[in-house]
Amino acid sequence: KQEVTQIPAALSVPEGENLVLNCSFTDSAIYNLQWFRQDPGKGLTSLLLIQSSQREQTSGRLNASLDKSSGRSTLYIAASQPGDSATYLCAAYSGGGADGLTFGKGTHLIIQP
Amino acid sequence: DAGVTQSPTHLIKTRGQQVTLRCSPISGHKSVSWYQQVLGQGPQFIFQYYEKEERGRGNFPDRFSARQFPNYSSELNVNALLLGDSALYLCASSLFGGRAGTYYEQYFGPGTRLTVT
Repeated sequence: KQEVTQIPAALSVPEGENLVLNCSFTDSAIYNLQWFRQDPGKGLTSLLLIQSSQREQTSGRLNASLDKSSGRSTLYIAASQPGDSATYLCAAYSGGGADGLTFGKGTHLIIQP
Repeated sequence: DAGVTQSPTHLIKTRGQQVTLRCSPISGHKSVSWYQQVLGQGPQFIFQYYEKEERGRGNFPDRFSARQFPNYSSELNVNALLLGDSALYLCASSLFGGRAGTYYEQYFGPGTRLTVT
């Protein structure tokens, strides 16, 4: 059974800093990994999707990497802004019988102005 | 284009009651998945439907059921509500789905907040 862990659970940094969010998964036989953003009480917004054959994906100030062999993914946020404050979730798709995404508990990020 | 829509936004029910939540996928998307997110946790997969058939089920009791209609919209039903069913219920749609090992990017709706008292 796939398990996804996110570290740290919470993070508070001053505006302008570069930061890294970590995601680890127990079953390396994943098909892809997806990073989402969730604002309080809201749904999920997809940020980046990394296919198993890819090592990284970039969108604007965001860069996500995937290392299947070590069971890890990182989300790098450059030049953080107060608007980046949210909970960031990673989710793995293992292609099992249930056919759903397995999520971590998320990292609650606060960017101080 | 409209994204995934869900109704109602909020719902308050009493223990033992039944509830129906609704989801309309993005136009052209044929697959709908349901997730439950308890406060402070990541979403947990409940069901996936594709072409009106159940293609995947997570570890949830039989009190949870769902269906998909010919227009690809979906309903999630929960019977005999328990306090522990209080959560944000998320619907996600994708272009295709239902074949193990094939993933299509999922787009999530705003969710329905269910409170059971």
